[in-house]
Amino acid sequence: GENVEQHPSTLSVQEGDSAVIKCTYSDSASNYFPWYKQELGKGPQLIIDIRSNVGEKKDQRIAVTLNKTAKHFSLHITETQPEDSAVYFCAASGTGNQFYFGTGTSLTVIP
Amino acid sequence: DAGITQSPRHKVTETGTPVTLRCHQTENHRYMYWYRQDPGHGLRLIHYSYGVKDTDKGEVSDGYSVSRSKTEDFLLTLESATSSQTSVYFCAISEYEGAYEQYFGPGTRLTVT
Repeated sequence: GENVEQHPSTLSVQEGDSAVIKCTYSDSASNYFPWYKQELGKGPQLIIDIRSNVGEKKDQRIAVTLNKTAKHFSLHITETQPEDSAVYFCAASGTGNQFYFGTGTSLTVIP
Repeated sequence: DAGITQSPRHKVTETGTPVTLRCHQTENHRYMYWYRQDPGHGLRLIHYSYGVKDTDKGEVSDGYSVSRSKTEDFLLTLESATSSQTSVYFCAISEYEGAYEQYFGPGTRLTVT
């Protein structure tokens, strides 16, 4: 099955700086890559996603890039704010109904 | 949480007892999923449902069973709870099959002593 690796596991940035989280996947059939934000005590919340026919997608301060050849995708958060502090998960999905998740990145934005 | 509730939100139970967790949705989505979340493992799929009475196994299904008698309800049962099943359990829903958005509930924290 699919194997998704996520780095780094923890990330601290100063408020206003950018944060980048990277994921790699193993199955070339994967074609959908969502990113989730999870705040303490809550369920994961979908924040952005990208499909394999697109190289980049932006939504305000958040962007995701996909390199199908290298099998990696990244989450970029610009102008970080304290409320961006959370755990972020990447996932990959292809044929079938299963999402494969990375192990998460704990982002801390220091005011 | 996209019209998804889970109950109970917290439960402590003893080894060997059966436990049932409930997921209820108000979105009328066809697809429902149960995941467990453990440190160092992210989220892993236990079972999913693609319609009333239609279910299939996920990555970590041993020791779990599911049932779906109504579109809005998806039950997860631990037949005989073990300490290795101590985890946070999340339900998710999706309108379409496969590579489409999944929306998660608030989770149930289960402790097996």
